Amino acid sequence: AQSVTQLDSQVPVFEEAPVELRCNYSSSVSVYLFWYVQYPNQGLQLLLKYLSGSTLVKGINGFEAEFNKSQTSFHLRKPSVHISDTAEYFCAVISNSGYALNFGKGTSLLVTP
Amino acid sequence: KAGVTQTPRYLIKTRGQQVTLSCSPISGHRSVSWYQQTPGQGLQFLFEYFSETQRNKGNFPGRFSGRQFSNSRSEMNVSTLELGDSALYLCASSLAPPGQSGETQYFGPGTRLLVL
Repeated sequence: AQSVTQLDSQVPVFEEAPVELRCNYSSSVSVYLFWYVQYPNQGLQLLLKYLSGSTLVKGINGFEAEFNKSQTSFHLRKPSVHISDTAEYFCAVISNSGYALNFGKGTSLLVTP
Repeated sequence: KAGVTQTPRYLIKTRGQQVTLSCSPISGHRSVSWYQQTPGQGLQFLFEYFSETQRNKGNFPGRFSGRQFSNSRSEMNVSTLELGDSALYLCASSLAPPGQSGETQYFGPGTRLLVL
């Protein structure tokens, strides 16, 4: 079984500042990793995913994430955030034989002017 | 291509009633999964269907059931509603079953159920 820990429940940041949302996972087998974003009153939108290969993954809206196998981490970063990035961010993991995404509890990103 | 659609978007029911939620996947997607999202428990897996077969079910009581039709549309039903069933129910679709080569699941906007 796999599990995900999102280390920060809330991250406040000023507009145009960089941000990192942390995600650590636990698994005894190889996994695929995802970051989703949820805006108020909406479903989940895929930001990016790691399947294999290059450990630096680029996604939509200027986000990127780095897979670190030794530290079992998949942290999400953005060099300069906008007000519109205010949302809930979820890290998720699934194995190749898995049938459901295992989500972290989410990190609420609040961007203020 | 249209995304995943869910109906209704909002629903208010009373304890003891039953409810049916509907999900239409992205055209061509044969896999549909359902998740329950609550503030306390976060996102929890309910069911996964592929080609009309329920392949997996999460740790939920038998009051929660579902099905998938030949056109890949899916419904989930909750009988004898309890206050704790109040949640956002999210449907996700994918071309292949989740986990297969890192298949991406695309989520609908959800149905927000309030049980009074």
